[in-house]
Amino acid sequence: DIVVTQSPLSLPVTPGEPASISCRTSQSPLHRNGNNFLDWYLQKPGQSPQLLIYLGSNRASGVPDRFSGSGSGTDFTLKISRVEAEDVGVYYCMQGLQTPYTFGQGTKLEIK
Amino acid sequence: EVHLVESGGGLVQPGGSLRLSCAASGFTFSTYWMHWVRQVPGKGLVWVARTNEDGTTINYADSVKGRFTIYRDNAENTLYLQMMSLRAEDTALYYCVRDLAGKDSYWGQGSLVTVSS
Repeated sequence: DIVVTQSPLSLPVTPGEPASISCRTSQSPLHRNGNNFLDWYLQKPGQSPQLLIYLGSNRASGVPDRFSGSGSGTDFTLKISRVEAEDVGVYYCMQGLQTPYTFGQGTKLEIK
Repeated sequence: EVHLVESGGGLVQPGGSLRLSCAASGFTFSTYWMHWVRQVPGKGLVWVARTNEDGTTINYADSVKGRFTIYRDNAENTLYLQMMSLRAEDTALYYCVRDLAGKDSYWGQGSLVTVSS
């Protein structure tokens, strides 16, 4: 199984400041078609997870452009250019290259 | 508007069975891979099973293989998860997910399964 490791696990951020979450996979999620099957989700308090970034760097429909995803190999990053109060919740990265799909432990973003 | 509505959860004794349903609407159900993902309240996300568009390709997590069965009825726009030989560690909120690992990923609100005597 591909192990997915996130850091940090807790992320206090001042509104308006940037934030960054790291995601490392034990094997590259690179498909032979050239896409990295690495996604980012946000689970807001009391809600189901919602897709933010798919294939490593593509924003999902309706996701604000302050969110961006990047990375290659086994190292990926989610960046929020300016954190807003509505961004609180737990962020998960997930590899979808092979079953079992595996998620990181989650990073809890809170507002200072 | 896309809707995924899970049902069928509840309290069951260890060794018992339960069937979860996921009613889909607002999109062409038969054109998407569908998944079940579970989450112990307050904990992380764990992938459980997936089926392709017509049910001919199915995969399971090792922890549920041989006990759980995922299947779908495209005529009724419904995804199912038949769970047998339930264990305490199967206690979780079970999400029905469209297109996990795809650009159209969408999650239902979940159905809570509690396995306890």
